[in-house]
Parts: sequence; structure tokens; C-alpha cells
Amino acid sequence: DAGVIQSPRHEVTEMGQEVTLRCKPISGHDYLFWYRQTMMRGLELLIYFNNNVPIDDSGMPEDRFSAKMPNASFSTLKIQPSEPRDSAVYFCASTRTGRVGEQYFGPGTRLTVT
Amino acid sequence: KNQVEQSPQSLIILEGKNCTLQCNYTVSPFSNLRWYKQDTGRGPVSLTIMTFSENTKSNGRYTATLDADTKQSSLHITASQLSDSASYICVVSGSNAGNMLTFGGGTRLMVKP
Repeated sequence: DAGVIQSPRHEVTEMGQEVTLRCKPISGHDYLFWYRQTMMRGLELLIYFNNNVPIDDSGMPEDRFSAKMPNASFSTLKIQPSEPRDSAVYFCASTRTGRVGEQYFGPGTRLTVT
Repeated sequence: KNQVEQSPQSLIILEGKNCTLQCNYTVSPFSNLRWYKQDTGRGPVSLTIMTFSENTKSNGRYTATLDADTKQSSLHITASQLSDSASYICVVSGSNAGNMLTFGGGTRLMVKP
């Protein structure tokens, strides 16, 4: 199994631009999570899906952030418009029902907004 | 409010030495606690999981303990190696539906030769 796949690995963009981060979960996993990690705040859960349905998006910082999961093998996290304070590493993780604590993380996308 | 506090924030030890990382939590009701290792530039990887009834669990040179009464856990690393240099994150799961994970801030460990 290839594990959780994220793209791009690095993204540098200018303030105001739209950014789209992509994630392919592990096949057979029905939970998908989006996290943000910064030095100041550590790992923060942004949103998670179960069976492609958003369950809890209370961690999404503001309306500039949106996430979709059109099918079981693909999810996107979009920031529009991006701001310098969005600079962070964004992780996607997946797991299966009954093992929510055992999440498998992707390699992350390092986002820099200038 | 669910919280997970880790100490120390950072730690430097010499190769071959032992060390212990601490985790205190207030998550309730409690389901399980995991220790993750995160190498620089990579995603976290699970080291151990402990449920309410477990007091200790080992994974090679890593030994985790859990005291559910005092809501404390520790991760002991024996005979440290350079490859142990990483961040170690304590993550607690609540047992309520929709009560996902609460992450600690992590301990940054550096093992020097």
C-alpha cells in the first residue's frame, strides 16, 4: 500500500491567491482528516469526513477555508484567498471505523504564503 | 475543555542515554492514548496505543505507561539512538461519538553523538 498521498509537497504562493491541497487516503479507510501544524499551535484538526461526508468542520479557521471529498479516494482542502498566516504544514490522515485513534498520516504539504 | 499537556517541550540527550517524556490529559470520557513519533519533514507515525485497562506497553526500546487515575502517561526511551531525534506527540481519544483526538504540543527530542 502506498499510504496516504498528498500533493503538492511544497507550495509557495502570493497573498490573495487560491491554494488547493490534495489528498488520496489509504484504500478501504472510511475516515479522512485534514490537520494544520505550526510551531506555535502544534497539530490542529481542521475537518474530518466519514464516508465522504463532512462530520465536523469546527476547526476550519474561517470561511476562506473549504474542504471537499467527492469520492472515497480523493479530498481537497482549498484556501481562497490565501494569507501569510495560513503558512503551515497541512497533513491529511485516514483511518477506518473502530480505529479512529490509529490514523495514518500523509507526508504533508508545506504551504508558504508570501 | 479537553487538553493534553506534554513536558518537557524540548530535550537534548547523549546517544545511549535513557529519557522519559511526560503527558498529562484532561480528556473525558477517556478511550485511549497514543504516542506518535514525527520525524522532521514527515507525518506522525503511531508508536503505541494504550486503553484504559493497560498500564504499560512496549515497542522495542519505547515503553509507554498509563495511569488512568491521575490521567498521566509517560514514554520512556531506552539506550537512545540518533534516529530517535524527532518530535513525540501524545494524542488522547475520547469515547464520546464525535469526540475525536486531542493532541499535545509535542516534545522535541534531540539525541547527540
